[in-house]
Amino acid sequence: DAGVIQSPRHEVTEMGQEVTLRCKPISGHDYLFWYRQTMMRGLELLIYFNNNVPIDDSGMPEDRFSAKMPNASFSTLKIQPSEPRDSAVYFCASSRATGGNQPQHFGDGTRLSIL
Amino acid sequence: AQSVTQPDIHITVSEGASLELRCNYSYGATPYLFWYVQSPGQGLQLLLKYFSGDTLVQGIKGFEAEFKRSQSSFNLRKPSVHWSDAAEYFCAVGGGTGANNLFFGTGTRLTVIP
Repeated sequence: DAGVIQSPRHEVTEMGQEVTLRCKPISGHDYLFWYRQTMMRGLELLIYFNNNVPIDDSGMPEDRFSAKMPNASFSTLKIQPSEPRDSAVYFCASSRATGGNQPQHFGDGTRLSIL
Repeated sequence: AQSVTQPDIHITVSEGASLELRCNYSYGATPYLFWYVQSPGQGLQLLLKYFSGDTLVQGIKGFEAEFKRSQSSFNLRKPSVHWSDAAEYFCAVGGGTGANNLFFGTGTRLTVIP
């Protein structure tokens, strides 16, 4: 089975530009999670969806960040406008069902650098 | 509230030596516990998980972990480390029905020396 697919793998852009990160979860998984990983703060949960509906976005740092899941096989995380402090590795993960007892399957991440 | 503590930021072991990575959790009910490994430039890969039953769980790549409720711990072990085990290791706790998140520790970076 294909795993979680993220694109692009690397993104370098200038401050102020719009950035869109993409994720395709594993087919059949009901939950999709977006994380950010930095040296300073480790792995942070930004937002997660259940059946395409955002459930908890309390981890989204600012209004500059937005996430959508228009269908079961696609999600985007958008930053507009981007700032240097947004530089990080962004991971998407998906899991089956509910209960916190299902392992999450991670993509390989998008390494974002804002100049 | 759930939380996970990994007390060791960085551990160095010699190849062939045994390994134990510590994980302590805080959760009011029976936790669901996981260990993940992250190699450079890659995402997190599940090593093993504990839901219930036998408190010693076996995972991939020769790893095992033991759930100790009395100590609120879920330490990861491997009897003989290989150079390819060098990576970052994350412990995570899930909260059961109604709690869909996993809460991750800050990770332990493992260096393996020849």
